[in-house]
Amino acid sequence: DQQVKQNSPSLSVQEGRISILNCDYTNSMFDYFLWYKKYPAEGPTFLISISSIKDKNEDGRFTVFLNKSAKHLSLHIVPSQPGDSAVYFCAASDWATGTASKLTFGTGTRLQVTL
Amino acid sequence: NAGVTQTPKFQVLKTGQSMTLQCAQDMNHEYMSWYRQDPGMGLRLIHYSVGAGITDQGEVPNGYNVSRSTTEDFPLRLLSAAPSQTSVYFCASSYGGQKEETQYFGPGTRLLVL
Repeated sequence: DQQVKQNSPSLSVQEGRISILNCDYTNSMFDYFLWYKKYPAEGPTFLISISSIKDKNEDGRFTVFLNKSAKHLSLHIVPSQPGDSAVYFCAASDWATGTASKLTFGTGTRLQVTL
Repeated sequence: NAGVTQTPKFQVLKTGQSMTLQCAQDMNHEYMSWYRQDPGMGLRLIHYSVGAGITDQGEVPNGYNVSRSTTEDFPLRLLSAAPSQTSVYFCASSYGGQKEETQYFGPGTRLLVL
């Protein structure tokens, strides 16, 4: 049973426009959420995170929004750049289990930013 | 600081062979984990360790063994490789003990089991 879902396998956006990547989760115990970016033949790299006590976190061009009642989070990239083309993974963890490092990942969304 | 390193980068095995995937980190992180990435499945946790001498199972532990004799190293052993273990394997580490913390990933080992 997929506890973290990314229903869009791919997304194509023009350079300069906004990219919106979505993620849904089913486990209400998740209290910390992360986005990772992955280029081919490389490991995932951390992008941005958000705690369940917040509904928004911003870092430069990247903003993550969390809607706890809907169990939904989204990553906004504004403006999108060609270098943003990668696979983006949503991940979640549950501190109550005492192992915040056990991440549950979504299946990823491949973002392509076109010129 | 090399971060998280993994060897080998690529390996081909025959069914039934054994091998060890190496992972090391030089950040003095307590927590280390192994994930596998398969098409359409995202990354799934195999085993993890919260410190030297302590390991536990993740979501997909069958067919894999781990040990953690030092803080720096966390090898993953395949005792008898199967084609279903064809995957890309990522090792990750983090400081541990914090509610909000980031895991740092290695570059991955691509394994093909024939």
